[in-house]
Amino acid sequence: GAVVSQHPSRVICKSGTSVKIECRSLDFQATTMFWYRQFPKQSLMLMATSNEGSKATYEQGVEKDKFLINHASLTLSTLTVTSAHPEDSSFYICSARDSSNYEQYFGPGTRLTVT
Amino acid sequence: AQKITQTQPGMFVQEKEAVTLDCTYDTSDPSYGLFWYKQPSSGEMIFLIYQGSYDQQNATEGRYSLNFQKARKSANLVISASQLGDSAMYFCAMREGIYNAGNMLTFGGGTRLMVKP
Repeated sequence: GAVVSQHPSRVICKSGTSVKIECRSLDFQATTMFWYRQFPKQSLMLMATSNEGSKATYEQGVEKDKFLINHASLTLSTLTVTSAHPEDSSFYICSARDSSNYEQYFGPGTRLTVT
Repeated sequence: AQKITQTQPGMFVQEKEAVTLDCTYDTSDPSYGLFWYKQPSSGEMIFLIYQGSYDQQNATEGRYSLNFQKARKSANLVISASQLGDSAMYFCAMREGIYNAGNMLTFGGGTRLMVKP
């Protein structure tokens, strides 16, 4: 079956530093990937849609300069949280849409803690 | 307005019994897909079942079935013979425009299911 990986699975960083999270589709090509954020006991909230070779589309209220998205290849999208603050601590989940059948597969998530 | 509504924030069910998790949705698009995901404490999203708006029959996958009532815009998940491992968060989601590759999933608020031994 289709597999999506995320790296790292957990990261702790100090306030003011930047953190990069990778999302990879391992056995399929994904022209579109989605980045979600999930706070404790809440649902997944879409942050942005990442499109290979073009700029990401951000949801209302999501700062594009703070959450940098790069989708440089058909199998890799990265989310960089710049100048992280404690309120950015959350569970970040990516999903990748298989270009051949439009099915969407989720990565295992990355738990970010900013101290 | 909420597109996906899950009215049960938490539910208990006795092991081996069946349980229904509610989901209602709102869309004006005639083409849409409905999904259910399970999220255990590890955080991964596990796909359970899918129902397309044009599907004539209710979807079933093992112990999971989807009670699709199109006129009422509801897509309830039924889990039969509950197991302790079913304890998790369950999310209903919708994608509008089945064949549009750019459309994202919209999630409901989730239901925490707890299975009692």
